[in-house]
Amino acid sequence: EIVMTQSPATLSVSPGERATLSCRASRPISSNLAWYQQKPGQAPTLLIYGASTRATGIPARFSGSESGTEFTLTISSLQSEDFAVYYCQQYNNWPLTFGGGTKVEIK
Amino acid sequence: QVQLVQSGAGVKKPGSSVRVSCKTSADTFSNYALSWVRQAPGQGLEWMGGIIPMFNITKYAQKFQGRVTFNADESTTTAYIELSSLTSEDTAVYYCARDYRAKYCTSTTCYTADAFEIWGQGTMVSVSS
Repeated sequence: EIVMTQSPATLSVSPGERATLSCRASRPISSNLAWYQQKPGQAPTLLIYGASTRATGIPARFSGSESGTEFTLTISSLQSEDFAVYYCQQYNNWPLTFGGGTKVEIK
Repeated sequence: QVQLVQSGAGVKKPGSSVRVSCKTSADTFSNYALSWVRQAPGQGLEWMGGIIPMFNITKYAQKFQGRVTFNADESTTTAYIELSSLTSEDTAVYYCARDYRAKYCTSTTCYTADAFEIWGQGTMVSVSS
């Protein structure tokens, strides 16, 4: 199975600053990569699919990019509601696999 | 607004089985695949498998094969997961999630994977003696 590795595990950022989250796939996955946000006690929310396409209703401050098997989620200016855990997921191969998550916390 | 509504939380004994439901709309039932994803307390997300409800086409993660069953009831547009031989390690929130792309697929070979656009609210299953 494809292993998704996210870094860092925790990212401390001040409101208004930029956050950069990384996700690496153990094998090529084309652009079949999604990013989710999860807040405590809630289901995940789809942010990005196809590595760089924002899902419906997702603010423009969220952007995704890719370089080979390295994927990046950037939050350009963190708002209070953005402090959460973020997961990447590959959907290029069965079984579908998620990264371990990055917690974005207030600095 | 599309919603997936799951059944309520439950406590189960080790060795028993649990069944969780996921009520969908007619459009979702007919045109989309649903996956089941679980999350143990304080842990990450784990894909268990998926189903195309209209055609009862399923894919299972190897880890759960033989212990999990997905099925669906067209009359109520509801999908189900049943997990047997429960242990404490099955204690988790179980989510159903809908693919973001509709797909017309009548066989396993055309069942392609997707990101998950719509999620149920989750069902907490606790396994304890």
